[in-house]
Amino acid sequence: DAKTTQPTSMDCAEGRAANLPCNHSTISGNEYVYWYRQIHSQGPQYIIHGLKNNETNEMASLIITEDRKSSTLILPHATLRDTAVYYCIVSLGGANNLFFGTGTRLTVIP
Amino acid sequence: GAVVSQHPSRVICKSGTSVKIECRSLDFQATTMFWYRQFPKQSLMLMATSNEGSKATYEQGVEKDKFLINHASLTLSTLTVTSAHPEDSSFYICSARVGVREQFFGPGTRLTVL
Repeated sequence: DAKTTQPTSMDCAEGRAANLPCNHSTISGNEYVYWYRQIHSQGPQYIIHGLKNNETNEMASLIITEDRKSSTLILPHATLRDTAVYYCIVSLGGANNLFFGTGTRLTVIP
Repeated sequence: GAVVSQHPSRVICKSGTSVKIECRSLDFQATTMFWYRQFPKQSLMLMATSNEGSKATYEQGVEKDKFLINHASLTLSTLTVTSAHPEDSSFYICSARVGVREQFFGPGTRLTVL
């Protein structure tokens, strides 16, 4: 699986959009970009995934650059409950396991 | 999303005893489940991949005789930590594959070995 690079930490004001970047310059053509988050002392929570096109669901939007070397997870209106570690993972998906890096610790500030 | 449960959520045991952790997919069948562990302030590390009806595949450095994995049904996988020692104290998390592309995680089990 390709390696990803994320900032160690970020702050975001409550109610504002949180934009979390991820670099994955060695991604291969059939690898997906996954985003999970982990709130303290809980299991990771699936957020969204995509291959080439931008994706949106009830939790977030995923913007993938045309060359697929980077992506951005957007939480449109951050709340205090969105404070967590966010992991960007590149994987073939399916039966393949997910390799977690260090992630980005997002702190939403009141 | 799909629901994965773990039991117990927290366990404290004496050194030398064995501990069993259950991972269940509640509303779907999972042919593949994964076991991870997470030490304080560290990321998740994959321990093994569990396939229903076959032997688990362990990651390098994970002792298969110490961490016994059984995936006897499509909704249940168990991890048994045998002869647990204080260094085995960790947060153990399972996940289950859903469909072709998604994995959902359990809430985790915090093991403390005294």
